[in-house]
Amino acid sequence: DIQMTQSPSSVSASVGDRVTITCRASQAVGTRLAWHQQKEGEAPKLLIYGASTLQSGVPSRFSGSGSGTDFTLTINSLQPEDFATYYCQQAYNFPLTFGHGTRLEIK
Amino acid sequence: QLQLQESGPGLVKPSETLSLTCTVSGGSISSTTYYWGWIRQPPGKGLEWIGSVYYSGSPYYNPSLKSRVSISVDTSKNQFSLKLYSVTAADTAVYFCARLLIGTSRYFYYYVDVWGKGTTVTVSS
Repeated sequence: DIQMTQSPSSVSASVGDRVTITCRASQAVGTRLAWHQQKEGEAPKLLIYGASTLQSGVPSRFSGSGSGTDFTLTINSLQPEDFATYYCQQAYNFPLTFGHGTRLEIK
Repeated sequence: QLQLQESGPGLVKPSETLSLTCTVSGGSISSTTYYWGWIRQPPGKGLEWIGSVYYSGSPYYNPSLKSRVSISVDTSKNQFSLKLYSVTAADTAVYFCARLLIGTSRYFYYYVDVWGKGTTVTVSS
């Protein structure tokens, strides 16, 4: 199984800040990496796939980068609605695996 | 717009079988572009993939659950289902059904691109 390691596990930031979350895969997955956002009490939502392609309707302040084993999710100019938990997901093979999540909290 | 809706009992007794169904609306489950699957989230924890299936069959299961899980498709009803046998308290979770966007044989991938709202299942006597 491909293990996905996210860091940090939690981060505090203010509205308007820039935040970066990292995800590392235990083996190379090319660019087959997705990021999902989950707000409290809701289902996750796909933000980015292919490591850097924004899903339709996702604001441009979100961006993703990376390939191989190391990936980043960057959120520029944080908005109140961005405070949530973020998960990376490898899309390379079964079993699908997710990172343990990064909780983005308001400072 | 495609929507997924989970249904099934919210309470299951230990050692019994958890059965959930996901109804697909706004699209066909028989599309060749997608797999369909189940993902769960124990209280306060992260996401665990349970398994996925193509419209014609050929399921894939998480090795950690493989001996206890079965996922099937009913194309006539545009539904797919999950059965998890011999449940324990550790199976208490929110269960999400999901659509997986898949690639081709030349460039494969499995992105979870649509999620159901989730249903809470508690295992307790």
